[in-house]
Amino acid sequence: GDSVTQMEGPVTLSEEAFLTINCTYTATGYPSLFWYVQYPGEGLQLLLKATKADDKGSNKGFEATYRKETTSFHLEKGSVQVSDSAVYFCALLPGGSYIPTFGRGTSLIVHP
Amino acid sequence: GAVVSQHPSWVICKSGTSVKIECRSLDFQATTMFWYRQFPKQSLMLMATSNEGSKATYEQGVEKDKFLINHASLTLSTLTVTSAHPEDSSFYICSAPLPRSGGDTYEQYFGPGTRLTVT
Repeated sequence: GDSVTQMEGPVTLSEEAFLTINCTYTATGYPSLFWYVQYPGEGLQLLLKATKADDKGSNKGFEATYRKETTSFHLEKGSVQVSDSAVYFCALLPGGSYIPTFGRGTSLIVHP
Repeated sequence: GAVVSQHPSWVICKSGTSVKIECRSLDFQATTMFWYRQFPKQSLMLMATSNEGSKATYEQGVEKDKFLINHASLTLSTLTVTSAHPEDSSFYICSAPLPRSGGDTYEQYFGPGTRLTVT
């Protein structure tokens, strides 16, 4: 079945450091890929998405590129802020489906 | 953009009582909604799919009689935790899909979650 694997956290960084959170997936066909962010005590918010190979999703300084050859969708940000501290979930959605498969989530902690 | 709300945002109840959580799509209609449960520092666990006008579909291992789901209208689904026990304490999140890009791709819109504490 479909699955998403994320790097284990927590990831601890200083403000303005470069961020990478790895995400790889296993799926049949060509799924859409998503990154969601969950701030403490809140639900999930869509951060960015990509619907086909080589697409780059971007939002709020975060980027991720849909790499079909490596089945990856790594999340990056050039300079993190304390306010980016949250849990980040990678997810895939098979074509024609509306039930996503989530990774386990990666906690990001940014220190001033 | 699409908005999904949940009510209440948090609730504390005594063991043995029942608690109802509402999930509403505020600016779109949702024939299907999803209920998730999230344990501390863990990912979301899909509990059930709520279908407007028909019975909910429960995931394996989820007790139907304990977690009652009613999809009363195209904008409202409710989850009732019956005879709650401390082990039911958790963060419950609902979501609703919205088709994009010609209808063959969906985006999930999540509610803000409900923190249930059973004492």
